[in-house]
Amino acid sequence: GAVVSQHPSRVICKSGTSVKIECRSLDFQATTMFWYRQFPKQSLMLMATSNEGSKATYEQGVEKDKFLINHASLTLSTLTVTSAHPEDSSFYICSARVAGRFNEKLFFGSGTQLSVL
Amino acid sequence: KNQVEQSPQSLIILEGKNCTLQCNYTVSPFSNLRWYKQDTGRGPVSLTIMTFSENTKSNGRYTATLDADTKQSSLHITASQLSDSASYICVVTYTGGFKTIFGAGTRLFVKA
Repeated sequence: GAVVSQHPSRVICKSGTSVKIECRSLDFQATTMFWYRQFPKQSLMLMATSNEGSKATYEQGVEKDKFLINHASLTLSTLTVTSAHPEDSSFYICSARVAGRFNEKLFFGSGTQLSVL
Repeated sequence: KNQVEQSPQSLIILEGKNCTLQCNYTVSPFSNLRWYKQDTGRGPVSLTIMTFSENTKSNGRYTATLDADTKQSSLHITASQLSDSASYICVVTYTGGFKTIFGAGTRLFVKA
């Protein structure tokens, strides 16, 4: 299947700093990518939908100025957590959508564990 | 309201035993249903995907079933292995924007 590469896998940062997470589709073009957040023992929560060449669509309750998303190319989307605080500590996962005639497929990155001190 | 509910929330089984995980959904109009396996600290990995016309789909020791009439799906794991310990997530996509809803997952623990 298709491969989605997510970097970094783990990051520890000080409160107030910004952290950028990259999500790349390695062997296919992804016009749409998704960003999720996952707290321990909970399911994935969709944060935003990233569309190549246009502004991201954020889910209700997600601050777009806090979580900046850029999808400048068909193979790369980035999520920047600005002025991170301890409550932003979480597991962040991206996925890339491949649309077929009858259904779509989602391929997930391996996730990024963010710890804000 | 579009929802995906999974049961049980967690399950402990002995190595070598079989188990079945359940997923009920109230999503409409239905497009497809997928089962994912997520190891702790990793991204989900796809196990099966089924459209409304498919009743069963197998992937090695994993067999998923779908009843589109009752809006129920199950994931059956045969001859469980220690490496099967993970969270299993049911994901339903509905048309009209390709919205996707994730179930809360079932945490499976396989013990030796």
